[in-house]
Amino acid sequence: NAGVTQTPKFQVLKTGQSMTLQCAQDMNHNSMYWYRQDPGMGLRLIYYSASEGTTDKGEVPNGYNVSRLNKREFSLRLESAAPSQTSVYFCASSESGWETQYFGPGTRLLVL
Amino acid sequence: GDSVTQMEGPVTLSEEAFLTINCTYTATGYPSLFWYVQYPGEGLQLLLKATKADDKGSNKGFEATYRKETTSFHLEKGSVQVSDSAVYFCAPSYSGGGADGLTFGKGTHLIIQP
Repeated sequence: NAGVTQTPKFQVLKTGQSMTLQCAQDMNHNSMYWYRQDPGMGLRLIYYSASEGTTDKGEVPNGYNVSRLNKREFSLRLESAAPSQTSVYFCASSESGWETQYFGPGTRLLVL
Repeated sequence: GDSVTQMEGPVTLSEEAFLTINCTYTATGYPSLFWYVQYPGEGLQLLLKATKADDKGSNKGFEATYRKETTSFHLEKGSVQVSDSAVYFCAPSYSGGGADGLTFGKGTHLIIQP
């Protein structure tokens, strides 16, 4: 089992560019999550999907959109990147809502 | 709002020292309580958890007890090793809590010196 995989591992964008962060899990989990991690801020929830076909906003959703493509995949899209979105992004999944979460290795995003 | 408070760091200890990292949470309902660990350059992984009052979670020599009366879940280890150097996150989880269901503390950076 690969667990939770994320692509890309690292990305540099210019202000205003768009990109999609991909996440997939092979544990047949129902719930999936996107977080950002910034120094001194801990992890903050951007969006989550309690089950296939549903998505909900987290603490910091502005500037992001998500798609739960199927049970395995949950993508995060930045339509017009801003320097404030420079961060490390983590995807996670859990069997059901708010149980033990399994994290991917992260995507480091730098917006210039 | 904030629902979990943990000591920030960095916390620097010598090898074989006793470790305590404090964590307190907002007493809204009866959350499950988690400690996650993040090693350099990696994602978070579960260290231990407890799901009801007085439960003790343990793993890799670390322990934490669910204290409902003090709304705390302090992480302890009797003798730390250099390999324990990492960032530790306390996280209460409220089932059915929607976007507020899981909140991570800001993390405690632990540095163990040989």
